[in-house]
Amino acid sequence: QSVLTQPPSLSATPGRKVTISCSGSSSDIGNRNSFVSWYQQLPGTAPKLLIYDNDKRPSGIPDRFSGSKSGTSATLAITGLQTGDEGDYYCETWDHNLNVGFFGGGTKLTVL
Amino acid sequence: DVQLVESGGGLVMPGGSLRLSCATSGFTFSTYSMNWVRQAPGKGLEWVSSLTPSGRSTYYADSVRGRFTISRDNAKNSLDLQMNSLRAEDTAIYYCAREPLGHQDLDYWGQGTLVTVSS
Repeated sequence: QSVLTQPPSLSATPGRKVTISCSGSSSDIGNRNSFVSWYQQLPGTAPKLLIYDNDKRPSGIPDRFSGSKSGTSATLAITGLQTGDEGDYYCETWDHNLNVGFFGGGTKLTVL
Repeated sequence: DVQLVESGGGLVMPGGSLRLSCATSGFTFSTYSMNWVRQAPGKGLEWVSSLTPSGRSTYYADSVRGRFTISRDNAKNSLDLQMNSLRAEDTAIYYCAREPLGHQDLDYWGQGTLVTVSS
């Protein structure tokens, strides 16, 4: 069973940069056929796609958000933090051995 | 505009059944894989199930396999989730989400429908 591990919470001040890690294994993130996605969920709303294919931004997502993948881990970076960025962030990938999807446990971001 | 609208949620007793639906518009439904994702109250996201554009291939999380069935009607642009033998731990908001072909991300989500399993 794949498990994607994220820090439960992070906090930072407006204008600063924060990175959120997502640690997996060779069967999910570390599989060369697997791609990592990142989602933002603001309070009381549905999740929204921030990053797909490890490092690509959908149309309309500002370049303050960036993603990367290395080995069995992935990272979401947010620069120029704004109070409106407060919410929960989830990584997600597909396990090609089990043919199931997995989300990380989520990271609650507080912008103080 | 792409729209996904879930319906069918509600209160059901343990052991009961419920059928969720997701009505879609604004895109060529038959060319996208579709997924269900749930979120228990105060908890994180949990992937539940997905199926390919034709509906021939389906995938399930271990927690629901054998109890839930995902299906689609490409003529009606709709996605369903039949949930049987419901348990208290199935209580959650259920979201339908679109998955672009050849990708592994979920690029559009509905607003969700709440399922509560309780006696």
